[in-house]
Amino acid sequence: AQSVTQLDSQVPVFEEAPVELRCNYSSSVSVYLFWYVQYPNQGLQLLLKYLSGSTLVKGINGFEAEFNKSQTSFHLRKPSVHISDTAEYFCAVSDIVGLGGGADGLTFGKGTHLIIQP
Amino acid sequence: NAGVTQTPKFRILKIGQSMTLQCTQDMNHNYMYWYRQDPGMGLKLIYYSVGAGITDKGEVPNGYNVSRSTTEDFPLRLELAAPSQTSVYFCASWTGPEGEGYTFGSGTRLTVV
Repeated sequence: AQSVTQLDSQVPVFEEAPVELRCNYSSSVSVYLFWYVQYPNQGLQLLLKYLSGSTLVKGINGFEAEFNKSQTSFHLRKPSVHISDTAEYFCAVSDIVGLGGGADGLTFGKGTHLIIQP
Repeated sequence: NAGVTQTPKFRILKIGQSMTLQCTQDMNHNYMYWYRQDPGMGLKLIYYSVGAGITDKGEVPNGYNVSRSTTEDFPLRLELAAPSQTSVYFCASWTGPEGEGYTFGSGTRLTVV
């Protein structure tokens, strides 16, 4: 079984400042890692994912994340945020070893609410 | 390609009523999932299916049932609605690691009163 911990439930940041949203996971097997964004009253949109290879992953909207296996972390970063980045961000993992190589379903963190202040 | 389609988008149920949340995908994906999202929480897996005729329980299956008679459809059934089932429900399918991984529907917001 896996678990995901998003250390901050809420992160306030000034516009054009950098931001890091933290995610740590626990798993006894190899995992795929995902970051999703959810705007108010909307569904989930994939920001980026890590499957294998380079530990630095670039996603949409200027976001990137770095996989650190030794620290079991997958922190999300953006060098300069905009008002439009205000949303809920979810980190999630899926077990590679199970049903169909990642198809076991996702385990989510509780989310981090990113608040951009003008 | 419509992706993953959920209906209805909103629904209010009275305690004890039943309903079916519909989920359809047109991508010929074998793996499909139902999640619920409670306020201030991440999504939790209710049920999943690895193909037509095969379903299994996730983390929070109590109070729900599913069926998978075709590859395209994966309906979620609530038999006796309870206030604890007030939530937003998301259906998803697995695209494989070459694609997005998981594709989500836009959700059904259910209130039980």
